[in-house]
Amino acid sequence: DAKTTQPNSMESNEEEPVHLPCNHSTISGTDYIHWYRQLPSQGPEYVIHGLTSNVNNRMASLAIAEDRKSSTLILHRATLRDAAVYYCIRVSGSARQLTFGSGTQLTVLP
Amino acid sequence: KAGVTQTPRYLIKTRGQQVTLSCSPISGHRSVSWYQQTPGQGLQFLFEYFSETQRNKGNFPGRFSGRQFSNSRSEMNVSTLELGDSALYLCASRESPSSGNTIYFGEGSWLTVV
Repeated sequence: DAKTTQPNSMESNEEEPVHLPCNHSTISGTDYIHWYRQLPSQGPEYVIHGLTSNVNNRMASLAIAEDRKSSTLILHRATLRDAAVYYCIRVSGSARQLTFGSGTQLTVLP
Repeated sequence: KAGVTQTPRYLIKTRGQQVTLSCSPISGHRSVSWYQQTPGQGLQFLFEYFSETQRNKGNFPGRFSGRQFSNSRSEMNVSTLELGDSALYLCASRESPSSGNTIYFGEGSWLTVV
């Protein structure tokens, strides 16, 4: 059974980089890795996604391992507003499945 | 453009009743999916619709059903409600079911079953 695993919680100091890991034990060549974050009482918000190469956008960077069995979401300078639950999602095109990680609660300390 | 809109935002139902939740996707998006979120089980996929056809379904009982209309709007229905159905129900849309497309979530519908 395909699993996407994430640590339950992580802490970071404000203005320091944060590396949030995700392991996707079963992944095929057409599966994308998506990252979303969720604030209390809100729907998940898109952060970034990628297939094989590392990806950057204004919010974050995504580093994907060469074997694609793991990925890391990088917030370059954490702010208090980045405190949220971060979800890693394996989106399978062929099997039409979305496999969610259990989410990592990120706490940013001032 | 407007985001994914879900109605109602909050509702309370009694065990045994049924409930219908509505979702309006982002304009131009033809794929709509539904999720259940509870503290104990996290985010779980319910089903996805594309062009009015259900493409896939998560591991939920037949009491959970949905449909999509020609304008891409979607509804989900839960019949014979149980206490355990209390959850945040999230709807999401994307242009198509391609795995590379960004998924946009709504704010969710909070269902409490008493």
